[in-house]
Amino acid sequence: DVKVTQSSRYLVKRTGEKVFLECVQDMDHENMFWYRQDPGLGLRLIYFSYDVKMKEKGDIPEGYSVSREKKERFSLILESASTNQTSMYLCASSLYPEAFFGQGTRLTVV
Amino acid sequence: AQSVTQPDIHITVSEGASLELRCNYSYGATPYLFWYVQSPGQGLQLLLKYFSGDTLVQGIKGFEAEFKRSQSSFNLRKPSVHWSDAAEYFCATSTGAGGTSYGKLTFGQGTILTVHP
Repeated sequence: DVKVTQSSRYLVKRTGEKVFLECVQDMDHENMFWYRQDPGLGLRLIYFSYDVKMKEKGDIPEGYSVSREKKERFSLILESASTNQTSMYLCASSLYPEAFFGQGTRLTVV
Repeated sequence: AQSVTQPDIHITVSEGASLELRCNYSYGATPYLFWYVQSPGQGLQLLLKYFSGDTLVQGIKGFEAEFKRSQSSFNLRKPSVHWSDAAEYFCATSTGAGGTSYGKLTFGQGTILTVHP
């Protein structure tokens, strides 16, 4: 079974902090994704990566950046957390065209 | 740009009743279509997928979905709902092979299913 592991289930951070969300997959997939989930909006794509050190913006990249130094690890970075970034964040890896999701990180910015 | 619409935000059914969750997509070619389920506090689990071929696809947990090109729909069905089916359900689409899709998914807004005993 594919396993996508997000480092934290719950996080509480203060406004202005730099926040790192980590995601690791164990299936050697080339493609990895970060989505944000909000009630009534479904999941929206923040960033994705199709290879090590390669990244592309998704639909809502503002306020976020990403890092992929190794194939199995994809990090989402909030440079300066704000309250409107309080949300559920889901990481996925893809063996095209099927995606596999982590358990999610619920981030609260206070 | 492709889009996915789930017209029903919240559906309530009685245990043992049949279920149909609606999904409409907007895309010129035949897309890849998926249904995911999310239990409270959990990630997304794939229920079923449609890529090509038989338009009626079977998934896990007794779910099935039918692709109807003429209606741009991919509705999810279950003949008899169990209390454990209470969750949020997401329809999603991915563009076909080629280009820079990389397996990006476009999701509907989600449908919350409540099951009454």
